[in-house]
Amino acid sequence: DAKTTQPPSMDCAEGRAANLPCNHSTISGNEYVYWYRQIHSQGPQYIIHGLKNNETNEMASLIITEDRKSSTLILPHATLRDTAVYYCIVRVYPSGNTPLVFGKGTRLSVIA
Amino acid sequence: ETGVTQTPRHLVMGMTNKKSLKCEQHLGHNAMYWYKQSAKKPLELMFVYSLEERVENNSVPSRFSPECPNSSHLFLHLHTLQPEDSALYLCASRLGNEKLFFGSGTQLSVL
Repeated sequence: DAKTTQPPSMDCAEGRAANLPCNHSTISGNEYVYWYRQIHSQGPQYIIHGLKNNETNEMASLIITEDRKSSTLILPHATLRDTAVYYCIVRVYPSGNTPLVFGKGTRLSVIA
Repeated sequence: ETGVTQTPRHLVMGMTNKKSLKCEQHLGHNAMYWYKQSAKKPLELMFVYSLEERVENNSVPSRFSPECPNSSHLFLHLHTLQPEDSALYLCASRLGNEKLFFGSGTQLSVL
């Protein structure tokens, strides 16, 4: 799976949009971009994934650049409960039972 | 609530103890995983089970022994652990290529 690069930490004011970047310049054509988050001392939680089109669900939006070398996860109205470590993972699909490999992620702190 | 339940939530054990961590899911998933997360480190994959067969053992010491008696249950048997084994142990499951569902983890302290 391709490597990803994320900033180690970010702050965001409560109620504002949180934009979390991820670089994946070596991504290949059959690799998807996945985002998970991990709130302190809990298991990671799936957020969203996409191939090349922008995606939106009830939790977030995923914007993938046209060349697919980077993406941005957007939390439109961040709340204190969104404080967590956010992981960007690139992975082949279908991948069978190949496990997800987590990096260090971005620690997002939402500030009141 | 993800549908993946881990017990106990917290565990303190001595180095000579034997204990087991339990993971349970009734989501119809066919693959289950153990991950370890030490303080301030990324998640590390330990074991993968697919259709109750172990398909990956990520160079984990033999003092950790997994067991998958059926598709809904996964255990991690612990014996003669070391203090550096203190960590958050996370179970996850999935169906085929779908997203991973994680439990809340067991916070283990080895004294």
